[in-house]
Amino acid sequence: AQSVTQLDSHVSVSEGTPVLLRCNYSSSYSPSLFWYVQHPNKGLQLLLKYTSAATLVKGINGFEAEFKKSETSFHLTKPSAHMSDAAEYFCVVSDLGDSNYQLIWGAGTKLIIKP
Amino acid sequence: EAQVTQNPRYLITVTGKKLTVTCSQNMNHEYMSWYRQDPGLGLRQIYYSMNVEVTDKGDVPEGYKVSRKEKRNFPLILESPSPNQTSLYFCASSLFSLEGRETQYFGPGTRLLVL
Repeated sequence: AQSVTQLDSHVSVSEGTPVLLRCNYSSSYSPSLFWYVQHPNKGLQLLLKYTSAATLVKGINGFEAEFKKSETSFHLTKPSAHMSDAAEYFCVVSDLGDSNYQLIWGAGTKLIIKP
Repeated sequence: EAQVTQNPRYLITVTGKKLTVTCSQNMNHEYMSWYRQDPGLGLRQIYYSMNVEVTDKGDVPEGYKVSRKEKRNFPLILESPSPNQTSLYFCASSLFSLEGRETQYFGPGTRLLVL
């Protein structure tokens, strides 16, 4: 069965230091992968997506993610954290089910930025 | 402005009293979906629709109904709400592709409390 695992429920970093949010997936197909962000009391917004083109994907606000098929991972990184990055981040896999694609969501990782 | 709207944004109701949460999009998207978000569980898909008159169950459909009579609207119906349906609900829409590569656009959310 397809699944998405976000390995950390909370990640805390200091402002100006690198960010790493980890995501592993299992898929029986060639998946599309997404990261969505949810700021406190706000809706969800696409950060970036991988759709079988370049394996290193750049998104908004300086985030990027690398698709590693051999490791079934799609970790999200940013070189230098900013206070405005504090939010919850969701890794999502789009996978082919019986006849249609299904979107499978990770449980989310809360990113905390310390001043 | 391209958007997904949901109404109401906040709702308090009592067990057993039927309610409908409306969702409308103005982007001519084929695909629409309802999610519920609960702490520690991320987003879970309730129902989705690939086009008018085409709907299917997601991961947690019990206690919910949907309809897709028009392309722009996708209401969520709770015939007999129960306290375990207290949650934050999101409607989303996107173009449809067989590969599932499309970006989803989310409404602002509806916070429901069932007493």
